[in-house]
Amino acid sequence: QQPLRESGPGLVRPSETLSLTCSVSGESFTSRDFYWGWVRQPLGRQFEWIGSFIYAGDTVYNPSLKSRVTISADTANKRFSLRLRSVTAADSGVYYCARQKYSARYSSYAFDVWGQGRVVTVSS
Amino acid sequence: DIVMTQSPDSVAVSLGERATINCKSSESVSDFHTDKTYLAWYQQKPLQPPRLLISWASIRESGVSDRFSGSGFGTEFTLTISSLQAEDVALYYCHQHYTTPPTFGQGTRVEIK
Repeated sequence: QQPLRESGPGLVRPSETLSLTCSVSGESFTSRDFYWGWVRQPLGRQFEWIGSFIYAGDTVYNPSLKSRVTISADTANKRFSLRLRSVTAADSGVYYCARQKYSARYSSYAFDVWGQGRVVTVSS
Repeated sequence: DIVMTQSPDSVAVSLGERATINCKSSESVSDFHTDKTYLAWYQQKPLQPPRLLISWASIRESGVSDRFSGSGFGTEFTLTISSLQAEDVALYYCHQHYTTPPTFGQGTRVEIK
């Protein structure tokens, strides 16, 4: 079973809201040893971090997207969601959920576990 | 935001030869208090998610071939593939997780000559 798996519509109309969910397998979802987040790869190659949260803690967003993004957690079902409002064609790409370890000593680590990715196209 | 710049954009190397990828950050990603360098390298093959190869600039992840090595400190970093194999053909990315937002390089394509 994949440790992280994205799901949601692959086609979103311009100006509407992109909604994706990441299902987490394993016991680490409610641990404060990990950040859970979203990273996207627009058409082309460069990755862009969208935002992350830690269980029972803070949620942090990329300032470039903060006004349009909400990340929320469904602890009972071990999943978390991304909502990106007012999308345009520039928001098309592959959306990944990913995990980062966290420690009080070193803060955040690299993204060590990734979902397979969900291709999202913004088009009318 | 810290800007990560990789060079070259693409490199072609003969099988068994060395491939070198460079990455520069616009600010230092090494922390004197923690004595850690917040720089990682990923490999991405077509239609796959990134795979973490190197963390903390030089620590190879479990299961990663010892052909891969990372080095560097501060603002300049290098990923070296010591003896290129066919399965190493991929895109490679550097990534800093020192500051928010974490950022990535634009990627370097490694091909066989």
